[in-house]
Amino acid sequence: EVVLTQSPATLSVSPGERITLSCRASQSLSSSLAWYQRKPGQAPRLLIYGASTRATGIPARFSGSGSETEFTLTITSLQSEDSALYYCHHYNFLTFGGGTKVEIK
Amino acid sequence: QVQLQESGPGLVKPSETLSLACGVSNSSITDNYYWGWIRQPPGKGLEWIGSIFRSGNTYYNPSLKSRVTISLGTSKNQFSLKLRSVTAADTAVYFCARHQDSGHRSPLEYWGQGTLVTVSS
Repeated sequence: EVVLTQSPATLSVSPGERITLSCRASQSLSSSLAWYQRKPGQAPRLLIYGASTRATGIPARFSGSGSETEFTLTITSLQSEDSALYYCHHYNFLTFGGGTKVEIK
Repeated sequence: QVQLQESGPGLVKPSETLSLACGVSNSSITDNYYWGWIRQPPGKGLEWIGSIFRSGNTYYNPSLKSRVTISLGTSKNQFSLKLRSVTAADTAVYFCARHQDSGHRSPLEYWGQGTLVTVSS
């Protein structure tokens, strides 16, 4: 069973900052890794797939990278609207990480 | 923009069957995509339940396979989820989604807002 561990669990940051969210896999994986943003009461939104490809309409300040066991989502120039839960998803193994909550101060 | 909307009872009794439907707009369940169900129990992570293709071909999470049926709507542009013999552990927000392409091992490109289903007597 593949386990994805996201860290940190919660991040509290100021607008304009740059953050990096981590998604670690229990074994070496392909780059079939996606990131989603979920806000309360809204449909989750696909941000990144293929570890580093932005989905349609996603701003360039969202970027993904990584391979094998370590994947990251970087958000630059944080805005208040970025306050949300972020999940990684390895779609080849059909498993999700536990999520990181990003709070904007 | 593709839109999905979950519908169904918000409260189900233990041992009964949870039934949800997902209505689709601006896309057709006969398009060349897989359609899936995902859930999130309170305070826990997301869990893939299963996915279905326009042909009716389905894939299920092995941990739920014995209790799950996903099917396509017959007269409406929707697909449905049935989860049998539910317990409190099945209490969750249930999401429907469209995969990005014609494989069930592909990103979930469009999602519904989710609906909370509580299992309680």
